[in-house]
Amino acid sequence: EVQLLESGGGLVQPGGSLRLSCAGSGFSFRNHAMTWVRQAPGKGLDWVSGITDSGGSTYYADSVKDRFTISRDNSRSTLYLQMNSLGAEDTAFYYCAFSSAVSSRLYWGQGTLVTVSS
Amino acid sequence: ENVLTQSPGTLSLSPGEGATLSCRASQSVSNNYLAWYQQKPGQAPRLLMYGASTRATGIPDRFSGSGSGTDFTLTISRLEPEDFAVYYCQHYGSSLWTFGQGTKVEIK
Repeated sequence: EVQLLESGGGLVQPGGSLRLSCAGSGFSFRNHAMTWVRQAPGKGLDWVSGITDSGGSTYYADSVKDRFTISRDNSRSTLYLQMNSLGAEDTAFYYCAFSSAVSSRLYWGQGTLVTVSS
Repeated sequence: ENVLTQSPGTLSLSPGEGATLSCRASQSVSNNYLAWYQQKPGQAPRLLMYGASTRATGIPDRFSGSGSGTDFTLTISRLEPEDFAVYYCQHYGSSLWTFGQGTKVEIK
């Protein structure tokens, strides 16, 4: 069974940093591009960042460019999102997700809540 | 960036009626990498359809997806009480995913 388990969310002060993790299991993690998506309370879904299977290429939404860094450790089947200079606008549920290379089916984690507040 | 525009913004219907939700892309969606999600208050998004027309595991057959190129549709044949929610479409055919702004299906 495919599982994605996010962790690392919590309350952080404005200007602070946080690192999210997403542990994958039940699929060939090293062969799949991975993505972070977020949803602010009461708002729609927003793509945040993506990374290729090897980690050689990364992509960012304009709203997080130069503040967030996506990375992965294929030996640990884990995806990361380092978030710096956090502001209230970054308060959201953060989900990791991927699309199966075989079936194109999408898989999402359960999400982790990041709250930026003083 | 492939911008997705959903219409209508809100659909007011009664249980038992059919619903037709539209998702229009600004660029052609390659390989029909178009998904639909249902979201209820306080819950994570639930995958309904992927590949434009493939139902995800456990999704009732009253839900169907169709379309290609730039125009896609999610159809709910007969609304059940649990179907009243917000629905999002998503393009995932590239390294940059995009989402529509959502259609709210509310009880009339």
